[in-house]
Amino acid sequence: EIVLTQSPDFQSVTPKEKVTITCRASQSIGSNLHWYQQKPDQSPKLLIKFASQSFSGVPSRFSGSGSGTDFTLTINSLEAEDAATYYCHQSSSLPQTFGGGTKVEIK
Amino acid sequence: QVQLQESGPGLVKPSETLSLTCTVSGGSISSGPYYWGWIRQHPGKGLEWIGYIYYSGNTYYNPSLQSRVTISVDTSKNQFSLRLSSVTAADTAVYYCARYCSTTRCPFDYWGQGTLVTVSS
Repeated sequence: EIVLTQSPDFQSVTPKEKVTITCRASQSIGSNLHWYQQKPDQSPKLLIKFASQSFSGVPSRFSGSGSGTDFTLTINSLEAEDAATYYCHQSSSLPQTFGGGTKVEIK
Repeated sequence: QVQLQESGPGLVKPSETLSLTCTVSGGSISSGPYYWGWIRQHPGKGLEWIGYIYYSGNTYYNPSLQSRVTISVDTSKNQFSLRLSSVTAADTAVYYCARYCSTTRCPFDYWGQGTLVTVSS
């Protein structure tokens, strides 16, 4: 089973700041890495697919990069509505797995 | 616009079987090429992948749950279902159904709202 390790676990950020979340895979997964945003009491929403492709309707301040074992989700110019927990997900091999999540709080 | 909606009992007794159904609207399960999955989230915790199904009935389950889980599909009702047997308190979670954007290499692009299932006597 591929383990996805996200860091940090928690981040408190001022609006308009840049946020960087990393996801490290225990073995190479190519670009089969996706990012979701989950707000309290809501289901996860797809932000980025295949490491760097933005999903339809997602604001341009969200971007992804990486391949192999190291991946990054970047939120440029954080907005108050971005307060949420962010998860990475690998679909390279079965069973599929998720990272532990990164909670982003707005200061 | 595809929509998914989970339904089923919110309370299940220990040792019994948890049964949930996901009803898909805005698209046909049997039109392909989409796969359909179940994911759960323990209270205050992260996401756990349970398994997937294709409309043909092809399935794959998380080995950690494989001995207890069954995912099935009813194309006539445009639904797919989850059964988890011999439940314990550790199975208390919000259960989500979701659609893969195409093959199982894809992410989940549409999710249901989730349903909380509590295992308690």
